[in-house]
Amino acid sequence: AQTVTQSQPEMSVQEAETVTLSCTYDTSENNYYLFWYKQPPSRQMILVIRQEAYKQQNATENRFSVNFQKAAKSFSLKISDSQLGDTAMYFCAFEGSSGGGADGLTFGKGTHLIIQP
Amino acid sequence: GAVVSQHPSWVICKSGTSVKIECRSLDFQATTMFWYRQFPKQSLMLMATSNEGSKATYEQGVEKDKFLINHASLTLSTLTVTSAHPEDSSFYICSARQGYTEAFFGQGTRLTVV
Repeated sequence: AQTVTQSQPEMSVQEAETVTLSCTYDTSENNYYLFWYKQPPSRQMILVIRQEAYKQQNATENRFSVNFQKAAKSFSLKISDSQLGDTAMYFCAFEGSSGGGADGLTFGKGTHLIIQP
Repeated sequence: GAVVSQHPSWVICKSGTSVKIECRSLDFQATTMFWYRQFPKQSLMLMATSNEGSKATYEQGVEKDKFLINHASLTLSTLTVTSAHPEDSSFYICSARQGYTEAFFGQGTRLTVV
């Protein structure tokens, strides 16, 4: 079974700063997908970024980028120029590829990110 | 992105009654739907996976007779919490995908059993 660990329950930074959220995972699979989701107070899950394990290049989406270290099983999220609207819970998630699309996501416990004005 | 709609957004029911939650994919055919449960200030836990026309696959520890899942069409899956008790109070979230594409989440349903 896969496990996803987020070791930072809460983080707080000033607006415009850069913040990095950490995530480690454990799996015996070689091909898989990793995600970062944002859950604001509305509780709607919003996909922030997705990384395919077979791609060495780190995924980026505007101010969001990841540092994917496959050998270390590490998948951190960097948020640049943080904005007040980035305040939310952030979940790291894992999806295996053995289920042919029928694998659900395994989530970490989440990091509550607070952006201070 | 694609739209997944969950209904109702919140529901209060009496202990011992059953409640049904619907999850609809509005603009795509969802071959697979997933049901998650989220306790306050905690993570999402996968409850079950359903494929259209097939029986749902439940995660270990999830009572399939209590949480009935039906995925009768490519756009609708339902979760029925039977004989609900206060400990079933939680936030239930569905997600849906077509094939091996990105899975989209519904807005969730807050269930309170009194």
